[in-house]
Amino acid sequence: EAGVTQFPSHSVIEKGQTVTLRCDPISGHDNLYWYRRVMGKEIKFLLHFVKESKQDESGMPNNRFLAERTGGTYSTLKVQPAELEDSGVYFCASSPLGGTSAYNEQFFGSGTRLTVL
Amino acid sequence: GESVGLHLPTLSVQEGDNSIINCAYSNSASDYFIWYKQESGKGPQFIIDIRSNMDKRQGQRVTVLLNKTVKHLSLQIAATQPGDSAVYFCAENMIGGADGLTFGKGTHLIIQP
Repeated sequence: EAGVTQFPSHSVIEKGQTVTLRCDPISGHDNLYWYRRVMGKEIKFLLHFVKESKQDESGMPNNRFLAERTGGTYSTLKVQPAELEDSGVYFCASSPLGGTSAYNEQFFGSGTRLTVL
Repeated sequence: GESVGLHLPTLSVQEGDNSIINCAYSNSASDYFIWYKQESGKGPQFIIDIRSNMDKRQGQRVTVLLNKTVKHLSLQIAATQPGDSAVYFCAENMIGGADGLTFGKGTHLIIQP
């Protein structure tokens, strides 16, 4: 079974440009999460989708970030316009919805390393 | 806001020795804790978890200890191997929660030959 996949693995853009990151969760996982790790700091939660709906977007830094999950499958995270402080590694994770477990493990992708020059 | 943090950013141990990675949390409402391992170029990988109604849980070569009195979490790795070199993160969540995880800063574990 394929894990969480993210595209691209690396992206280098100039300040002011637009970048779109993509995440394909594990098939059947209704929960999808975006996280970001800025260099030297902890991994920070950005937002959480349940199927196509945004369950929690409290971690989104500002309105330059737009996440979508049309159809409840893959998700995109667009940064427009990108700023220098947006550089970091963006992780996507997914987990199944419900089930008998008290906690559904979040499976992470390898991340997209974004560099804004 | 409340957060989960780590005491040491880097830990260097000899191959074969045991290692202990520590984490302090401040959110007393958290009832579920997870340790993740992140190798270079990869995403965080689940290692072991523990619920707040437990104080110890063992896995294969790993043990997690939880001290709720002082809000402290630790990860013990026995007989470290070169493949254990990675950044280790503690994270917190709520039982039954599908919430976003709150991570600590991470500890870089270096295994010396």
